[in-house]
Formats: sequence, C-alpha cells, structure tokens
Amino acid sequence: EIVLTQSPGTLSLSPGERATLSCRASQSVSSSSLTWYQQKPGQAPRLLIYGVFSRATGIPDRFSGSGSGTDFTLTISRLEPEDFAVYYCQHYGSSSWTFGLGTKVEIK
Amino acid sequence: QVQLQESGPGLVEPSQTLSLTCSVSGGSINSGAYYWTWIRQNPGKGLEWIGYIYYSGSTYYNPSLKSRVAIAADTSKNHFSLNLASVTAADTGVYYCARASYYGSGYGMDVWGQGTTVTVSS
Repeated sequence: EIVLTQSPGTLSLSPGERATLSCRASQSVSSSSLTWYQQKPGQAPRLLIYGVFSRATGIPDRFSGSGSGTDFTLTISRLEPEDFAVYYCQHYGSSSWTFGLGTKVEIK
Repeated sequence: QVQLQESGPGLVEPSQTLSLTCSVSGGSINSGAYYWTWIRQNPGKGLEWIGYIYYSGSTYYNPSLKSRVAIAADTSKNHFSLNLASVTAADTGVYYCARASYYGSGYGMDVWGQGTTVTVSS
C-alpha cells in the first residue's frame, strides 16, 4: 500500500500569496493515479486536480499540479479568500486507494 | 447532473452492523465506467477510503476493513449500499458516498454526497 505524506501540516498565508503544498509517496506512482481535493469545514471534498496536472471542471487556473515519481506539488498562485481550506492528495492504486493526512491552508 | 445522497441510522450500537445507502439521481448506476465509492472521515481527522463497487459489479475494499465490509448495488433502485460489521467507537465519523472515474489522464471522484454522520455508542 502506498503511503502519502503531505507537508506542511499547516500553511499560514495571506490572501494574494502563493501556496505550495507537497505530497510525497512511499514509492513511485504513475501520474494517472495522483489526485488532489479541497475540503472546507462541513463540506464534502471537491475534486481539484487529477492525473497530477489536469484541472477538474470549473477549477480556476490559479490551481496547478506538478510532479512525478514520488514527489508531487499543488500550487495556488494567488490565494483567494475562498481557498483557505484543507487539501488532500490521493493515490489510486490497483488494490487500494489512499489519502494523505492533508495540509490546512489558513489565513495568516 | 448526477447527485448522490446518503441515508441510514445516525446511531449504531457497538458490535452491530452499520448499514448505509447511497441513492443516485440524475443518472443510472450502471450507465458508465464508474466506481461507486464509500469514504469516511473520523472526527477531526483525514479521509479514509472504504471501498467501491465498479459498474460491472466487482468490488474492492480497504485491506484494513476488508473482513468487515460489504458494498452492493441495487440497479432496480439505482442505489448502492455499505455494510460494516462489528463496529466500534473507532468507526464513528462522517460517511460519504462518491462517484469515481477515469478521465483520460487520471482518476478522480467528481461527485460526492453531502455526507452522513454515524456515531457508534450504546
């Protein structure tokens, strides 16, 4: 089973700043299997990025994904007030799907 | 568009079986190559994949829960269900149903239910 380690646990930033979130896999994974979600309090997660790079329908272009192998990054180019939330990476394995523990992006 | 809605008891006694249903509206449960999925979130914690049933009927479960989990689909009612046996307090949390698919370059869960809270307590 692939273990995903997200860092940092919490990111304190101001609106307008750039956010860089990391997701490291315990072993190399295919690019098609790495996905990012955003979750706000009291809400279900929302699909942001799939296949490392592809934005889901309706996701603004300030969100971008990158990486390969074991190291992946979600970047929010300029934080908007609605972007303060928890972000999870997820791996779609052939026998098991796993999530990272999340990175909370909070207002500084 | 497709919408999902979880339903079931909010309180389950320890050692009993947790049973939830996810009703699918706006589309047929067997109309496409979708993975009908259950996810849970313990209070204040992260997300945990429970398992899924593929549109073909095949199922896959989280290895840590496999001995206690069963997911089934009822195409006549257009819903799928979760049974989790021998529950303990550690099974308390918000349970989500979701639809996953392959979008050409990767996998993702693009439709989610609102979630239902289940508490395990006597």
